[in-house]
Amino acid sequence: AQSVTQLDSHVSVSEGTPVLLRCNYSSSYSPSLFWYVQHPNKGLQLLLKYTSAATLVKGINGFEAEFKKSETSFHLTKPSAHMSDAAEYFCVVSSNDQAGTALIFGKGTTLSVSS
Amino acid sequence: NAGVTQTPKFRVLKTGQSMTLLCAQDMNHEYMYWYRQDPGMGLRLIHYSVGEGTTAKGEVPDGYNVSRLKKQNFLLGLESAAPSQTSVYFCASNKGGISGRAYNEQFFGPGTRLTVL
Repeated sequence: AQSVTQLDSHVSVSEGTPVLLRCNYSSSYSPSLFWYVQHPNKGLQLLLKYTSAATLVKGINGFEAEFKKSETSFHLTKPSAHMSDAAEYFCVVSSNDQAGTALIFGKGTTLSVSS
Repeated sequence: NAGVTQTPKFRVLKTGQSMTLLCAQDMNHEYMYWYRQDPGMGLRLIHYSVGEGTTAKGEVPDGYNVSRLKKQNFLLGLESAAPSQTSVYFCASNKGGISGRAYNEQFFGPGTRLTVL
């Protein structure tokens, strides 16, 4: 069975400082991993995805994540936060081996950015 | 190309009323999903479909029914609404894989905010 744990429910940073959102996963199969972002009262947008190619994945808006199998982690980072990054972020896992399997969502991390 | 659309955007129901949420996608995707989002819970899968005429239960299916009569549409029904079904509902789709692996990214609709009084 797959599961994902987001280690922080809320992260606060100042504008211009680095962002780190932590995610650990559990999967019996070779996982696909995703980060989605949700701005207030909006739908979900894909930031980036890992599907067994390069372990360092670059996404939109300067975000990137590194897949570390030994640590079962897929942390999201950004070198310099912007006010527009304030949103809720979801780490998501999907198995490659089960037909029709939906995504398993973490409970989310709310990112606050102060000026 | 509208992507994934959901109807309605907002709805208020009284306990015991019924309603149907409509999801439509114009990307010719095989797989479609219904999720609910509650504060602090992330998104949880209600039902999903891997093709026209097929449906399957997800993590939280009780109180909901679904139908996929056409490939582009996925309907979510509440037969007798309860306050516990107050939530934001998201529909999603993906194209599926050659061997049935649903590893491709999912595309989400804008959501339906449902309140049951």
